[in-house]
Amino acid sequence: SQTIHQWPATLVQPVGSPLSLECTVEGTSNPNLYWYRQAAGRGLQLLFYSVGIGQISSEVPQNLSASRPQDRQFILSSKKLLLSDSGFYLCAWSLSPNQPQHFGDGTRLSIL
Amino acid sequence: QKEVEQNSGPLSVPEGAIASLNCTYSDRVSQSFFWYRQYSGKSPELIMSIYSNGDKEDGRFTAQLNKASQYVSLLIRDSQPSDSATYLCAVNWGGSNYKLTFGKGTLLTVNP
Repeated sequence: SQTIHQWPATLVQPVGSPLSLECTVEGTSNPNLYWYRQAAGRGLQLLFYSVGIGQISSEVPQNLSASRPQDRQFILSSKKLLLSDSGFYLCAWSLSPNQPQHFGDGTRLSIL
Repeated sequence: QKEVEQNSGPLSVPEGAIASLNCTYSDRVSQSFFWYRQYSGKSPELIMSIYSNGDKEDGRFTAQLNKASQYVSLLIRDSQPSDSATYLCAVNWGGSNYKLTFGKGTLLTVNP
């Protein structure tokens, strides 16, 4: 069966520091991968998605970037964090566009 | 802009009652519909997928889809306090669209 791993679970970072969040999927090949952010009390905001190695689609222009260096690895990065980057970051995978997405446990990011 | 609408709630029901959660969407040609449950501080968990008109039952959960009226609903029978969570409706618009559009969720509280 497929599993998704996301780490770290919580992260506290100062404003202006860099960020790297990693997500890996096991048990499948060539999954579609997604990064979402959920601000406190808000809905899910799609940040990036990828349908293959090196293929990244950006949904929201901001100071975040994503990369997919390997088939089952998805990385969310920032060079300089802003206060507004605080939130709950979720990675998800799916087998095809009309199949459900399955979420990792998420990373709660606090910016000080 | 394609949208998914949910009543934000909170919806409060007594233990043992039927909870009814509703979702409307804006594009008639949408193909895939999903219900997720999100406990406070946790990531969304898939509970139901539905693709064709009618009812789909899974244990205490029933999803109902009416494409002509553009709504999808989730019924929870014999509601338990452990069902207290935010329920998210998600829609895939079909074609080559790799994304899900999520509603903002309905907060359900089941009172013992």
